[in-house]
Amino acid sequence: DQQVKQNSPSLSVQEGRISILNCDYTNSMFDYFLWYKKYPAEGPTFLISISSIKDKNEDGRFTVFLNKSAKHLSLHIVPSQPGDSAVYFCAASGTSGTYKYIFGTGTRLKVLA
Amino acid sequence: DTGVSQNPRHKITKRGQNVTFRCDPISEHNRLYWYRQTLGQGPEFLTYFQNEAQLEKSRLLSDRFSAERPKGSFSTLEIQRTEQGDSAMYLCASSLLLSGEKLFFGSGTQLSVL
Repeated sequence: DQQVKQNSPSLSVQEGRISILNCDYTNSMFDYFLWYKKYPAEGPTFLISISSIKDKNEDGRFTVFLNKSAKHLSLHIVPSQPGDSAVYFCAASGTSGTYKYIFGTGTRLKVLA
Repeated sequence: DTGVSQNPRHKITKRGQNVTFRCDPISEHNRLYWYRQTLGQGPEFLTYFQNEAQLEKSRLLSDRFSAERPKGSFSTLEIQRTEQGDSAMYLCASSLLLSGEKLFFGSGTQLSVL
């Protein structure tokens, strides 16, 4: 049972435009969410997080939105840059405090110059 | 470099052999996690430690898998009697309990079982 789903395996965006990556989850006990970026042959790199007490968190070009009622979060990258081309994973954790994150299957973003 | 270090980066082994991977976390981090990632999938949680205590190992894939963190610093993940299905990227991550929500990952060990 895939508790965290990223239904778009890939996304192509023109440089300078907005990239929107989506993530859905099924477990209402999840209360902390992360986005990671992964380049080939490297480990995931932390991008941005959001707690369930918030509905938005911003860090530079990256903004994460959380819609708890829809069990949906999205990552917005504005403006998109060629260096943003990577695989993006969302991850969710429950209230146990152990931060045993459940990851989605990832979305491959390609930013076209 | 004070990041998470994993060795080796690549391991090729024959089916039935034992393999051991090492992870050195960020020095002040007291939590250490092991994940596995297969092609087209996200990282899958295996086990985690708080200091030297292994607080969950139920997600280890079989009794052929074991992990240790003997002095609360580096950790090892051992796979005995490897099978072709064990081929994957094995990722280690660490975090600081007090701000533990953010995991810092190493570059992983890519295992190929022939």
